[in-house]
Amino acid sequence: GQNIDQPTEMTATEGAIVQINCTYQTSGFNGLFWYQQHAGEAPTFLSYNVLDGLEEKGRFSSFLSRSKGYSYLLLKELQMKDSASYLCAVRGTSGTYKYIFGTGTRLKVLA
Amino acid sequence: GAGVSQSPRYKVAKRGQDVALRCDPISGHVSLFWYQQALGQGPEFLTYFQNEAQLDKSGLPSDRFFAERPEGSVSTLKIQRTQQEDSAVYLCASSKSGRETQYFGPGTRLLVL
Repeated sequence: GQNIDQPTEMTATEGAIVQINCTYQTSGFNGLFWYQQHAGEAPTFLSYNVLDGLEEKGRFSSFLSRSKGYSYLLLKELQMKDSASYLCAVRGTSGTYKYIFGTGTRLKVLA
Repeated sequence: GAGVSQSPRYKVAKRGQDVALRCDPISGHVSLFWYQQALGQGPEFLTYFQNEAQLDKSGLPSDRFFAERPEGSVSTLKIQRTQQEDSAVYLCASSKSGRETQYFGPGTRLLVL
């Protein structure tokens, strides 16, 4: 079966660091993506990992361990505008490029 | 450049009515995907096009759902005889090719009464 797990909700304080975890069990793996989605808006692309390790992009970093079926998104220097849902998605093996999404983690940043 | 656009943004339909949802992908993007997102959930895959060819429709929930992309650009998702359980946000995404990152449109919020 296909399963992607993320915490439902997290709360953090402005200026802090937060780590959002994602574990996955899929029949094929061809990359893991993180998207940010504000309420009522389109998901916007944040990061992509296909090899093990850390990818850093400004205040956002994403980590992948394929052997553990595990990823995390790290957000530093949190700002109020970071309050949103964060979606973890796994892309299937070649031939079908669909994404399998988790339910999303709703992050609330408090002043 | 312009992103993925979808229309209408909101649609209210009476149960049993047919609806058509439109997606304009980013110019030059070969791959196009449709997803359904229920409230509080992540998007779920419906169907995938490469140019005009529908290569995967395994996610379409019933034969009431039909998608087309006749000229390999604009796509339409049609839902016949809508039911209340069809109420959701329908997201369209496009990518340069299947392997590239998908970019999403703002979605069409469908409410079936």
